[in-house]
Amino acid sequence: DGGITQSPKYLFRKEGQNVTLSCEQNLNHDAMYWYRQDPGQGLRLIYYSQIVNDFQKGDIAEGYSVSREKKESFPLTVTSAQKNPTAFYLCASRGTGRAEAFFGQGTRLTVV
Amino acid sequence: GESVGLHLPTLSVQEGDNSIINCAYSNSASDYFIWYKQESGKGPQFIIDIRSNMDKRQGQRVTVLLNKTVKHLSLQIAATQPGDSAVYFCAERAGGTSYGKLTFGQGTILTVHP
Repeated sequence: DGGITQSPKYLFRKEGQNVTLSCEQNLNHDAMYWYRQDPGQGLRLIYYSQIVNDFQKGDIAEGYSVSREKKESFPLTVTSAQKNPTAFYLCASRGTGRAEAFFGQGTRLTVV
Repeated sequence: GESVGLHLPTLSVQEGDNSIINCAYSNSASDYFIWYKQESGKGPQFIIDIRSNMDKRQGQRVTVLLNKTVKHLSLQIAATQPGDSAVYFCAERAGGTSYGKLTFGQGTILTVHP
């Protein structure tokens, strides 16, 4: 089945540790996105990538990093510099010429 | 930036009523506007989109209206059903130098009472 997969679904991190969230898609989409969602709030854009080996900062990129070495993969690293990392993280992909993005089921990150 | 604890607007309707969810956008260079539905604990699902050179588009039970003069977007749901209860977000896709950037609005919680 074609789709976008985020893993793990739940992730716990100790303060001061970096952690990487996985996002893989087999939809052959060029564009991929990472969003953060806090309880009861909207989606805020962290990073996005229009094509392999290229990405741009979104509105809240501080404390996060990404890579786009392969078309199907767009991992997000939450670094120790992110002051309040506990949130629901959503990855999405979009096909060229299309408006709609398809979302994964999200990763819920908790700092303990 | 850090969140400031804003609460999402809410809309409560009776089953069978029509619902209208509104959204204001900010970027006059956006070329597409999209509505998403998000159920609890899940990723958003695409509902309908509209290109910036249109003012109305209809889907199955849904209609999106775009007013570029006042930068306003609305989603109308006909004969609302309990399964429509969810959070609804509008999104805009940037054109120009930020082409492809997909930014979401605040969201509205829709509750449909049987």
